[in-house]
Amino acid sequence: DTGVSQDPRHKITKRGQNVTFRCDPISEHNRLYWYRQTLGQGPEFLTYFQNEAQLEKSRLLSDRFSAERPKGSFSTLEIQRTEQGDSAMYLCASSPGRETSPLHFGNGTRLTVT
Amino acid sequence: KNEVEQSPQNLTAQEGEFITINCSYSVGISALHWLQQHPGGGIVSLFMLSSGKKKHGRLIATINIQEKHSSLHITASHPRDSAVYICAVRVEAGGTSYGKLTFGQGTILTVHP
Repeated sequence: DTGVSQDPRHKITKRGQNVTFRCDPISEHNRLYWYRQTLGQGPEFLTYFQNEAQLEKSRLLSDRFSAERPKGSFSTLEIQRTEQGDSAMYLCASSPGRETSPLHFGNGTRLTVT
Repeated sequence: KNEVEQSPQNLTAQEGEFITINCSYSVGISALHWLQQHPGGGIVSLFMLSSGKKKHGRLIATINIQEKHSSLHITASHPRDSAVYICAVRVEAGGTSYGKLTFGQGTILTVHP
């Protein structure tokens, strides 16, 4: 299966620690998105890459959050000094870049901050 | 007020029933998506539409651009249809939307045998 892959699936960390998540999109997809989903809510947009360029960041993305896509392939999302409010499912999605293309989602990384 | 509103938030049905989930949005869009999310997080795209109606198996999606409204119908519902169904819109932004989606809060569907 060459779908969108996210690692790890689950992460439990203590408040104040740093965490990093990885997303491997479908190989020919140049658009990559990060979303955050809390229980009972729909996903919220965090940030978007076209190739290696980060073109948009949500106001939800505080200074503690940083995302990279250094070679235009995989992406990482880092959260520094985690807070309990950061507990959520972090979803990655990719698409080939045509406006008519659907998004392909990974299974997400569930973060629990204790 | 959210840009994308779904109703109902929770829906319980008996196997075989016809199900309708509604989605209203308040912004200009270039496309609307219906997505299915099972426990554990994985999201699957069911439909992407910008006008009219699409059908896939027992699923039908319609959209009325003028009324800013879309519906997802499931005919002859089955317990395996139990999932969260999410409406999401691709917002128009100066002609370059980047494909970013704005999501509704989801509808939790439970189909009992």
